[in-house]
Amino acid sequence: DTEVTQTPKHLVMGMTNKKSLKCEQHMGHRAMYWYKQKAKKPPELMFVYSYEKLSINESVPSRFSPECPNSSLLNLHLHALQPEDSALYLCASSQVPPPNEQFFGPGTRLTVL
Amino acid sequence: GIQVEQSPPDLILQEGANSTLRCNFSDSVNNLQWFHQNPWGQLINLFYIPSGTKQNGRLSATTVATERYSLLYISSSQTTDSGVYFCAVYRMNRDDKIIFGKGTRLHILP
Repeated sequence: DTEVTQTPKHLVMGMTNKKSLKCEQHMGHRAMYWYKQKAKKPPELMFVYSYEKLSINESVPSRFSPECPNSSLLNLHLHALQPEDSALYLCASSQVPPPNEQFFGPGTRLTVL
Repeated sequence: GIQVEQSPPDLILQEGANSTLRCNFSDSVNNLQWFHQNPWGQLINLFYIPSGTKQNGRLSATTVATERYSLLYISSSQTTDSGVYFCAVYRMNRDDKIIFGKGTRLHILP
């Protein structure tokens, strides 16, 4: 199984809402990643987890809070977002040590009103 | 940091045509990946190719790491090949990052 799944596919939220994005993989990968992609731009790395520990935080604002509860799951908790945070959020996984061949999920398209 | 440049930025072709997409990188890398992002946003792995040549159906890729470039060949284009093609490079022991180029936007006309 070479699939990474993400839920929800689409999310619309207000600036005062709290929501979470979820990512799951069953490839036995021990590195997982969150990326943010704006329209007509390449993906930008946000966070890297290696063996369930946060190894890279690309100076992401604290309104984005990642969590890796186990080796298969990755969450991104969202709170007090701004309209400019509207984007496609992509999850990926790979073998360790990172970086290694990455497999991406379908993404969550987030709109902040 | 390392620079990754893709060319051309945009490409419009008739169905059935062949194309070559290029990825240049400014420093040594340990690995390189080609992706196709479809109109729905899904990033699809095409090749994981640190060096040499690989083929998969109508697609093939060649990486010449010593000269710091990679090429993606698409033959007999189909409308489903439309989308954005990204090259991404990896550098071990420098940072745990994959660095993407800006992409080549390909549009295949029926």
